[in-house]
Amino acid sequence: AQSVTQLDSHVSVSEGTPVLLRCNYSSSYSPSLFWYVQHPNKGLQLLLKYTSAATLVKGINGFEAEFKKSETSFHLTKPSAHMSDAAEYFCVVTVRGGGGNKLTFGTGTQLKVEL
Amino acid sequence: DAGVIQSPRHEVTEMGQEVTLRCKPISGHDYLFWYRQTMMRGLELLIYFNNNVPIDDSGMPEDRFSAKMPNASFSTLKIQPSEPRDSAVYFCASSGKYRGTQYFGPGTRLLVL
Repeated sequence: AQSVTQLDSHVSVSEGTPVLLRCNYSSSYSPSLFWYVQHPNKGLQLLLKYTSAATLVKGINGFEAEFKKSETSFHLTKPSAHMSDAAEYFCVVTVRGGGGNKLTFGTGTQLKVEL
Repeated sequence: DAGVIQSPRHEVTEMGQEVTLRCKPISGHDYLFWYRQTMMRGLELLIYFNNNVPIDDSGMPEDRFSAKMPNASFSTLKIQPSEPRDSAVYFCASSGKYRGTQYFGPGTRLLVL
Protein backbone atom coordinates (compact mmCIF):
# COMPACT_ATOMS: atom_id res chain seq x y z
CA ALA A 1 0.00 0.00 0.00
CA GLN A 2 1.10 3.57 -0.58
CA SER A 3 0.44 6.67 1.47
CA VAL A 4 1.70 10.15 2.12
CA THR A 5 1.72 12.14 5.31
CA GLN A 6 1.83 15.91 5.21
CA LEU A 7 3.21 16.89 8.55
CA ASP A 8 1.66 20.34 8.80
CA SER A 9 -1.93 21.21 8.05
CA HIS A 10 -1.14 24.95 8.12
CA VAL A 11 2.06 26.89 7.51
CA SER A 12 2.39 30.64 7.82
CA VAL A 13 5.37 32.61 6.48
CA SER A 14 6.20 36.21 5.80
CA GLU A 15 6.61 37.40 2.25
CA GLY A 16 10.23 37.07 1.15
CA THR A 17 11.08 34.31 3.65
CA PRO A 18 11.70 30.65 2.81
CA VAL A 19 8.91 28.11 2.50
CA LEU A 20 9.15 24.51 3.71
CA LEU A 21 6.21 22.13 3.34
CA ARG A 22 6.93 18.66 4.66
CA CYS A 23 5.86 15.34 3.21
CA ASN A 24 6.74 11.77 4.12
CA TYR A 25 5.72 8.85 1.99
CA SER A 26 5.24 5.14 2.40
CA SER A 27 5.43 2.80 -0.52
CA SER A 28 6.22 -0.85 -1.05
CA TYR A 29 7.66 -0.13 -4.46
CA SER A 30 9.64 2.66 -6.08
CA PRO A 31 7.31 5.61 -5.93
CA SER A 32 6.57 8.51 -8.19
CA LEU A 33 5.93 11.64 -6.15
CA PHE A 34 4.21 14.89 -7.01
CA TRP A 35 3.31 18.21 -5.51
CA TYR A 36 0.09 19.85 -6.63
CA VAL A 37 -1.18 23.30 -5.69
CA GLN A 38 -4.80 24.35 -5.36
CA HIS A 39 -5.73 28.02 -5.26
CA PRO A 40 -9.13 28.92 -3.78
CA ASN A 41 -12.02 27.68 -5.90
CA LYS A 42 -9.64 26.38 -8.54
CA GLY A 43 -8.55 22.98 -9.78
CA LEU A 44 -5.24 21.36 -8.95
CA GLN A 45 -2.11 22.38 -10.79
CA LEU A 46 1.04 20.29 -10.97
CA LEU A 47 4.04 22.00 -9.38
CA LEU A 48 6.63 19.28 -9.90
CA LYS A 49 7.15 15.53 -10.04
CA TYR A 50 9.79 12.96 -9.19
CA THR A 51 9.97 9.78 -11.27
CA SER A 52 13.39 8.30 -10.41
CA ALA A 53 15.64 10.66 -12.30
CA ALA A 54 17.43 13.44 -10.41
CA THR A 55 16.56 13.49 -6.71
CA LEU A 56 16.35 17.29 -6.68
CA VAL A 57 13.37 18.30 -8.74
CA LYS A 58 12.68 21.83 -9.89
CA GLY A 59 9.15 22.94 -10.57
CA ILE A 60 7.21 25.98 -11.57
CA ASN A 61 7.16 29.32 -9.73
CA GLY A 62 10.52 28.72 -8.06
CA PHE A 63 9.50 25.63 -6.09
CA GLU A 64 11.68 22.58 -5.75
CA ALA A 65 11.62 19.31 -3.84
CA GLU A 66 14.23 16.75 -2.89
CA PHE A 67 13.57 13.03 -2.85
CA LYS A 68 15.34 11.43 0.11
CA LYS A 69 14.89 7.68 0.12
CA SER A 70 16.68 7.18 3.44
CA GLU A 71 14.25 9.54 5.12
CA THR A 72 11.22 8.63 2.95
CA SER A 73 10.67 12.34 2.49
CA PHE A 74 9.80 14.67 -0.37
CA HIS A 75 9.69 18.13 1.16
CA LEU A 76 8.71 21.15 -0.92
CA THR A 77 10.76 24.33 -0.64
CA LYS A 78 10.97 27.81 -2.08
CA PRO A 79 13.68 30.34 -1.18
CA SER A 80 11.40 33.37 -1.03
CA ALA A 81 7.64 33.34 -0.58
CA HIS A 82 5.35 35.56 -2.61
CA MET A 83 1.82 36.58 -1.75
CA SER A 84 0.57 34.65 -4.79
CA ASP A 85 1.91 31.42 -3.25
CA ALA A 86 -0.89 31.40 -0.70
CA ALA A 87 -2.82 28.22 -1.50
CA GLU A 88 -3.25 24.63 -0.48
CA TYR A 89 -0.50 22.19 -1.40
CA PHE A 90 -0.89 18.46 -1.82
CA CYS A 91 1.82 15.82 -1.75
CA VAL A 92 0.87 12.87 -3.93
CA VAL A 93 2.30 9.39 -4.45
CA THR A 94 1.78 6.71 -7.00
CA VAL A 95 3.58 3.46 -7.59
CA ARG A 96 4.81 1.77 -10.69
CA GLY A 97 3.14 -1.34 -11.86
CA GLY A 98 -0.53 -2.07 -11.99
CA GLY A 99 -1.53 0.75 -9.70
CA GLY A 100 0.55 3.35 -11.46
CA ASN A 101 -2.37 5.52 -12.41
CA LYS A 102 -3.86 5.73 -8.94
CA LEU A 103 -2.77 8.86 -7.15
CA THR A 104 -2.89 8.87 -3.37
CA PHE A 105 -3.19 12.39 -1.98
CA GLY A 106 -2.01 13.76 1.31
CA THR A 107 -4.39 15.76 3.45
CA GLY A 108 -2.98 19.05 2.24
CA THR A 109 -1.04 21.94 3.74
CA GLN A 110 -2.58 25.39 3.73
CA LEU A 111 0.13 27.99 3.11
CA LYS A 112 -0.51 31.50 4.33
CA VAL A 113 1.79 34.32 3.25
CA GLU A 114 1.76 37.50 5.31
CA LEU A 115 3.14 40.92 4.52
CA ASP B 1 -5.69 23.85 -25.48
CA ALA B 2 -8.60 24.73 -23.21
CA GLY B 3 -7.63 22.17 -20.60
CA VAL B 4 -10.08 19.86 -18.88
CA ILE B 5 -13.58 21.31 -18.97
CA GLN B 6 -16.20 20.54 -16.35
CA SER B 7 -19.82 21.55 -16.13
CA PRO B 8 -21.65 22.78 -14.28
CA ARG B 9 -19.24 24.67 -12.03
CA HIS B 10 -21.81 24.84 -9.27
CA GLU B 11 -24.85 22.69 -8.62
CA VAL B 12 -27.41 23.00 -5.87
CA THR B 13 -30.08 20.35 -5.68
CA GLU B 14 -32.47 18.76 -3.26
CA MET B 15 -32.06 15.37 -1.70
CA GLY B 16 -33.44 12.62 -3.91
CA GLN B 17 -32.82 14.41 -7.18
CA GLU B 18 -30.59 13.09 -9.93
CA VAL B 19 -27.34 14.94 -10.51
CA THR B 20 -25.20 14.69 -13.63
CA LEU B 21 -21.70 16.08 -13.77
CA ARG B 22 -19.91 16.43 -17.08
CA CYS B 23 -16.31 16.38 -18.17
CA LYS B 24 -14.45 16.98 -21.40
CA PRO B 25 -10.84 15.77 -21.20
CA ILE B 26 -7.89 17.27 -23.00
CA SER B 27 -7.95 16.21 -26.62
CA GLY B 28 -5.74 13.18 -27.25
CA HIS B 29 -5.65 12.04 -23.63
CA ASP B 30 -6.41 8.36 -23.15
CA TYR B 31 -7.04 8.39 -19.40
CA LEU B 32 -9.85 10.10 -17.52
CA PHE B 33 -10.27 10.24 -13.76
CA TRP B 34 -13.07 11.33 -11.43
CA TYR B 35 -12.19 12.54 -7.93
CA ARG B 36 -14.18 13.80 -4.99
CA GLN B 37 -12.88 16.32 -2.47
CA THR B 38 -14.40 16.81 0.99
CA MET B 39 -13.13 18.32 4.19
CA MET B 40 -13.49 15.04 6.01
CA ARG B 41 -11.93 12.67 3.48
CA GLY B 42 -9.73 14.91 1.35
CA LEU B 43 -9.24 13.93 -2.29
CA GLU B 44 -10.43 10.48 -3.28
CA LEU B 45 -10.27 8.73 -6.63
CA LEU B 46 -13.72 7.48 -7.58
CA ILE B 47 -13.12 5.84 -10.95
CA TYR B 48 -10.86 6.02 -13.95
CA PHE B 49 -11.14 5.13 -17.63
CA ASN B 50 -8.63 4.14 -20.27
CA ASN B 51 -9.73 4.51 -23.88
CA ASN B 52 -13.31 4.97 -22.70
CA VAL B 53 -13.31 1.72 -20.72
CA PRO B 54 -13.67 1.80 -16.91
CA ILE B 55 -10.51 0.33 -15.39
CA ASP B 56 -10.95 0.79 -11.67
CA ASP B 57 -14.18 1.81 -9.98
CA SER B 58 -13.26 0.63 -6.50
CA GLY B 59 -13.56 4.17 -5.20
CA MET B 60 -17.18 4.63 -6.19
CA PRO B 61 -18.95 4.95 -2.86
CA GLU B 62 -22.14 3.04 -3.62
CA ASP B 63 -24.61 2.06 -6.28
CA ARG B 64 -26.11 5.51 -6.37
CA PHE B 65 -22.99 6.62 -8.23
CA SER B 66 -22.36 5.72 -11.85
CA ALA B 67 -19.93 6.96 -14.48
CA LYS B 68 -19.83 6.61 -18.22
CA MET B 69 -17.53 7.57 -21.04
CA PRO B 70 -19.42 7.16 -24.32
CA ASN B 71 -16.58 8.61 -26.37
CA ALA B 72 -13.07 9.98 -26.04
CA SER B 73 -14.19 13.55 -25.49
CA PHE B 74 -16.96 13.20 -22.92
CA SER B 75 -17.66 11.59 -19.57
CA THR B 76 -20.45 11.85 -17.03
CA LEU B 77 -20.69 11.12 -13.34
CA LYS B 78 -24.24 10.57 -12.18
CA ILE B 79 -25.66 10.43 -8.67
CA GLN B 80 -29.18 9.04 -8.33
CA PRO B 81 -30.71 9.65 -5.87
CA SER B 82 -28.52 12.35 -4.35
CA GLU B 83 -28.05 12.72 -0.60
CA PRO B 84 -26.70 15.59 1.53
CA ARG B 85 -23.53 13.60 2.28
CA ASP B 86 -22.71 13.72 -1.44
CA SER B 87 -22.01 17.43 -1.12
CA ALA B 88 -18.43 17.92 -2.23
CA VAL B 89 -16.25 19.23 -5.03
CA TYR B 90 -15.96 16.75 -7.87
CA PHE B 91 -12.90 16.95 -10.08
CA CYS B 92 -12.24 15.42 -13.43
CA ALA B 93 -8.67 14.89 -14.62
CA SER B 94 -7.10 13.50 -17.76
CA SER B 95 -3.74 12.06 -18.65
CA GLY B 96 -2.03 11.39 -21.94
CA LYS B 97 -0.37 8.12 -21.02
CA TYR B 98 -0.01 5.48 -18.37
CA ARG B 99 1.36 7.13 -15.23
CA GLY B 100 1.48 10.42 -17.07
CA THR B 101 0.82 13.73 -15.42
CA GLN B 102 -2.82 14.22 -14.57
CA TYR B 103 -4.35 17.57 -15.52
CA PHE B 104 -7.30 18.64 -13.44
CA GLY B 105 -10.41 20.55 -14.35
CA PRO B 106 -11.74 23.41 -12.21
CA GLY B 107 -14.21 21.13 -10.42
CA THR B 108 -17.94 21.06 -9.83
CA ARG B 109 -19.07 22.24 -6.44
CA LEU B 110 -22.14 20.18 -5.50
CA LEU B 111 -24.47 21.03 -2.66
CA VAL B 112 -27.30 18.65 -1.86
CA LEU B 113 -29.90 20.12 0.48
